[in-house]
Amino acid sequence: GAVVSQHPSWVICKSGTSVKIECRSLDFQATTMFWYRQFPKQSLMLMATSNEGSKATYEQGVEKDKFLINHASLTLSTLTVTSAHPEDSSFYICSARDPDTQYFGPGTRLTVL
Amino acid sequence: SQQGEEDPQALSIQEGENATMNCSYKTSINNLQWYRQNSGRGLVHLILIRSNEREKHSGRLRVTLDTSKKSSSLLITASRAADTASYFCATDTSGTYKYIFGTGTRLKVLA
Repeated sequence: GAVVSQHPSWVICKSGTSVKIECRSLDFQATTMFWYRQFPKQSLMLMATSNEGSKATYEQGVEKDKFLINHASLTLSTLTVTSAHPEDSSFYICSARDPDTQYFGPGTRLTVL
Repeated sequence: SQQGEEDPQALSIQEGENATMNCSYKTSINNLQWYRQNSGRGLVHLILIRSNEREKHSGRLRVTLDTSKKSSSLLITASRAADTASYFCATDTSGTYKYIFGTGTRLKVLA
């Protein structure tokens, strides 16, 4: 099946710094990708829909200036957590839409000290 | 926001028993998927069921969908210790593959 990768798989950063997470569709083109976050022992919460060549669509309550999404190519979407704080520590998971289905990446664990 | 609520929130059973998890959702759906997630890991896709389908099987898994009740169930038969994980339903209401996840069920299978 299709593969979606994420990089890095884990990252630790200091409070106030920015962190970029990449989501790549390895063997298919994805005009649409989705970003989710998951706190420990909780479910996945949809953050935004990333559309190639246009602005991302954010879910209610998600700060678009804090979570910058760029979908510059058909195989790559990036999520930048700006001025990260400890409360941003979470598991971030992306997914990419193939025409008939959706594939999830393995996730990126962000820890902000 | 969460589209689906799952129950039970946690389930502990003995190996060999069957496990049933239920998912209820709020608005009409295009399709519904079930996923498994081991602790701290990524998602594993289990089954997709479309709104015009009522039941699907895959190995030891059986999924039902009742659109009139806005609910779905996942049955795992003859459970194994390796089935220990969190299970989530996810619904697509618009046919755009924008999935909203349920609250999840934490399953523990005791050897």
